[in-house]
This record gives sequence, C-alpha cells and structure tokens, in this order.
Amino acid sequence: GAGVSQTPSNKVTEKGKYVELRCDPISGHTALYWYRQSLGQGPEFLIYFQGTGAADDSGLPNDRFFAVRPEGSVSTLKIQRTERGDSAVYLCASRQGIDPNYGYTFGSGTRLTVV
Amino acid sequence: DAKTTQPTSMDCAEGRAANLPCNHSTISGNEYVYWYRQIHSQGPQYIIHGLKNNETNEMASLIITEDRKSSTLILPHATLRDTAVYYCIVRVGGGTSYGKLTFGQGTILTVHP
Repeated sequence: GAGVSQTPSNKVTEKGKYVELRCDPISGHTALYWYRQSLGQGPEFLIYFQGTGAADDSGLPNDRFFAVRPEGSVSTLKIQRTERGDSAVYLCASRQGIDPNYGYTFGSGTRLTVV
Repeated sequence: DAKTTQPTSMDCAEGRAANLPCNHSTISGNEYVYWYRQIHSQGPQYIIHGLKNNETNEMASLIITEDRKSSTLILPHATLRDTAVYYCIVRVGGGTSYGKLTFGQGTILTVHP
C-alpha cells in the first residue's frame, strides 16, 4: 500500500493477557521502528529493525515486550502478561533507508487499552 | 542526541504565518534538525529537516541560525488543518543513534478562524 498500515486500530485486552500488534511498512522500506505514545506525551522509541534484525532494542521497557520482523517486511510487536500501564498508542514507522535525508512515515497506530 | 526546548503552546490566526521556535543550544556539528507534526489521532507526519542551510518545501520553511543553536519552523499561510502538535527533533545523521527520533513535548499550535 501507499502508507504504513497498523492492525488492529484498537485493541482492548484484560490484564495478564497476551497481545500482538502488527505493522505493514511501505514496500521496500528496510528500516522499521516501533514507538509508544502515552496520553499527552510525545512518542517514545521502543525498537528499530534494519531488515530482519533488531539493530536497537534499547527502548523496550522490560522482557514482557518483544518484536519480530522475520522476513524483513511485516513486523509484530508482542506483549506478554499485559499490565494497565501498557495502555498507550503503539506507533510503527518505516524508512527507505538510514540516510538522514530519508524521512520517517508513521502509521496511525494501535490504541491498546488494558483493563 | 541534543535536547530541544519548545514553547508549550502557540496560537495563530488563519491565513497568517505561524512561526514556531526551537532551541537546541547543545547541538553538535553532525546533528540534523527535524520537524514533525501530529494531528489528533494520527501518527507523526514529516515536515522538513536541515543541517546548516535554510530549507523550504511545499509545506514549510526552516530557518536555522548561523550558530545552529536555534531554529524556526515557518508555516507561511496557516490553515485550520495546521492545528497540531509540532515536534522539533535534533539527532545525529548516522552512527549508532541513527535508528531513533527522540520526541519531546512539542508545541501545540492552534490556528483560529
């Protein structure tokens, strides 16, 4: 497609459950990023993929969070044993490459609510 | 990456120029200035970026001071659809930190009729 697609757009889950959030980047974009945005705050970096590998996962808050990108395109962010504090909008972005002149294209996000 | 300081909020009349300042006094020589905006319920949208020189595109102009310690994003003729949170981000163009943007609180720009 023309943009970055994220599914689902909204997800409500019970505390303690497992969730998967999907990101379809722009075709051909090798760099993929996940961010998390809490209400009233700017997006916060979670993890960055260059191709299939996670080049920087320093933003993942703890080991309940994991992300994969097995074929270098679609990525899945996985959250185990969800907590109410995980409630946020999870944003995905992709770039054509890492040259500073390549812009980031963000998806509209998945709004996760843990009840 | 260098820290940025932006006003919390600004107002602008429709049709007038909106000038959004950003202070980045600790910027290094290899760090770029990026501007993004986020309209309610959408992901951030790229606006413009620059290193040293002033830049202009179809959306906006970016004015970077000669010492690069501050910059101004200019929306020449603001419309109601420009109401959004505007983020000024400074980051290294390459190296180990090339993967991420560090967002601050941004400036809430409200364009009034």
